[in-house]
Amino acid sequence: GENVEQHPSTLSVQEGDSAVIKCTYSDSASNYFPWYKQELGKGPQLIIDIRSNVGEKKDQRIAVTLNKTAKHFSLHITETQPEDSAVYFCAASILGGNMLTFGGGTRLMVKP
Amino acid sequence: KAGVTQTPRYLIKTRGQQVTLSCSPISGHRSVSWYQQTPGQGLQFLFEYFSETQRNKGNFPGRFSGRQFSNSRSEMNVSTLELGDSALYLCASTGVSSYEQYFGPGTRLTVT
Repeated sequence: GENVEQHPSTLSVQEGDSAVIKCTYSDSASNYFPWYKQELGKGPQLIIDIRSNVGEKKDQRIAVTLNKTAKHFSLHITETQPEDSAVYFCAASILGGNMLTFGGGTRLMVKP
Repeated sequence: KAGVTQTPRYLIKTRGQQVTLSCSPISGHRSVSWYQQTPGQGLQFLFEYFSETQRNKGNFPGRFSGRQFSNSRSEMNVSTLELGDSALYLCASTGVSSYEQYFGPGTRLTVT
């Protein structure tokens, strides 16, 4: 089955700096890669996703890149703000399968 | 549009008992997936239901079961509870012809 590894497990940045979280996946059949943000006491919130026919996708301060050959994808957050502090999860699945395999999570702390 | 709702939000059970958790998807969504979240194992896929049929199943023992009703609401049941079943149980719904999963706030189950 699919295996997703995520690094780093914790990340501390200064407000205004950029943050990068990286994930690798094992199953070349995976073609859908969402990212979720989870705040304390809440369920994961979908923040951005990418499909394997696209190399990069941006949404304001958030971007995701995908390298299918190397089987890795990354989340980039620019101009970080204290409200970006949360746990971020990457995931992989086959489109339409609705069975997400998650990475272990990254706790992002943005210091004011 | 209302989001995914889960009831109850918190539950305390004793070892050996059984428990039923409920999930109401976003209006119009017909797929409901269930996940277990623990500090040690992270987010793990339990099963997915679409149009009252189980479409995918994760690697969990048969004590974990689910069902979906004609209005797309879903329930999951855990029988003969073990201490290790203590977790946050999350459900997510997906729209028809879509691949984005939207999570509810989860049910926090504590087994004593």
